[in-house]
Amino acid sequence: DTAVSQTPKYLVTQMGNDKSIKCEQNLGHDTMYWYKQDSKKFLKIMFSYNNKELIINETVPNRFSPKSPDKAHLNLHINSLELGDSAVYFCASSLRTGLYEQYFGPGTRLTVT
Amino acid sequence: AQKITQTQPGMFVQEKEAVTLDCTYDTSDPSYGLFWYKQPSSGEMIFLIYQGSYDQQNATEGRYSLNFQKARKSANLVISASQLGDSAMYFCAMRDNRDDKIIFGKGTRLHILP
Repeated sequence: DTAVSQTPKYLVTQMGNDKSIKCEQNLGHDTMYWYKQDSKKFLKIMFSYNNKELIINETVPNRFSPKSPDKAHLNLHINSLELGDSAVYFCASSLRTGLYEQYFGPGTRLTVT
Repeated sequence: AQKITQTQPGMFVQEKEAVTLDCTYDTSDPSYGLFWYKQPSSGEMIFLIYQGSYDQQNATEGRYSLNFQKARKSANLVISASQLGDSAMYFCAMRDNRDDKIIFGKGTRLHILP
């Protein structure tokens, strides 16, 4: 059973389009996250949600909008895609906020042309 | 401010040797956690090991151990008896109780040579 899953795995799209990435976890965790990994492999947190409530919004352009319909799902919608949005986006979850390890999804490689 | 530093961008190690990957950190919060993750070429992020700031003993998980030196603010990962499958990118990360963010170092790319 996949613990944290993301769809799609690859996403190629043109500048200006709107796209969504979906994430689901079956671990029963309360907290979910979105990370961006750039071409130099640097990982940076974008958002975190705890029980559907936004906890961290890390100075991300407002073209990025997370949505958590329930605590097992955290989707990421991106409007008006730009070349600089090309990256790998990881979803992750942890048992709750605090000093708990995070479990990552397989990542979504977004390429904007 | 929180900070994680990994000073080794790349390492080459002979198979079966032990490997130490360096990580230093900085935080003003006395309560924090340190994590190591492995990212193989396939791209997934795999959690390896966790050390809490109040843990009295160094964490161990199979061939992985964390050499935690609190006074020096270092949390080095030690891999014993390295295997070809250990070739990957390794990230050190930290989370403190103050703002619940987890921050990652820039990573170390480990190559195990046959």
